[in-house]
Amino acid sequence: AQSVTQPDIHITVSEGASLELRCNYSYGATPYLFWYVQSPGQGLQLLLKYFSGDTLVQGIKGFEAEFKRSQSSFNLRKPSVHWSDAAEYFCAVGASYNTDKLIFGTGTRLQVFP
Amino acid sequence: DGGITQSPKYLFRKEGQNVTLSCEQNLNHDAMYWYRQDPGQGLRLIYYSQIVNDFQKGDIAEGYSVSREKKESFPLTVTSAQKNPTAFYLCASSPEDGFNQPQHFGDGTRLSIL
Repeated sequence: AQSVTQPDIHITVSEGASLELRCNYSYGATPYLFWYVQSPGQGLQLLLKYFSGDTLVQGIKGFEAEFKRSQSSFNLRKPSVHWSDAAEYFCAVGASYNTDKLIFGTGTRLQVFP
Repeated sequence: DGGITQSPKYLFRKEGQNVTLSCEQNLNHDAMYWYRQDPGQGLRLIYYSQIVNDFQKGDIAEGYSVSREKKESFPLTVTSAQKNPTAFYLCASSPEDGFNQPQHFGDGTRLSIL
């Protein structure tokens, strides 16, 4: 079965600064990787996904993520953070096999200071 | 606009009471899911359904029940057997079955104990 680790529980950045949120996964087969964002009291919104092909994936709201197989990582980046980006971010790994489930990391809460 | 509607947004349960959380989607998606979210934890899968009249247990199904009589609807019942039901419950759907598909989420129901 697969697993996901988001090492940073809470990150604080200044508005306009760059951002990188870390995600490490463990999965024996080809991973299907996702980043979701959750605003307080809301559901999750898909930011981007990686299935195959180009390892640098562009998403919504100016986010991108890079798949690095050698490091088992799928880190989320944004060059310049806006105050509206403050939310909780979840990395998830999907399954190649029907017996495996979508596994979510424990999330990283992003706080943005003006 | 297509989407997933969860109701109610807030729900209170008395001891020994069963409560039902509603989830309706108009995305024409085949697969639907229920997750439980607790603070500091990722989402945990309760039940999922890949087609009408069929559903499978997820990782934490004990104390919960579901039905899938219509494609659009996937209600979750939290029974009195669930001793720690206080949590945020999220319903999701995906166009096809399989945990390598992006999932679309509702805005959640927060369940508390009176």
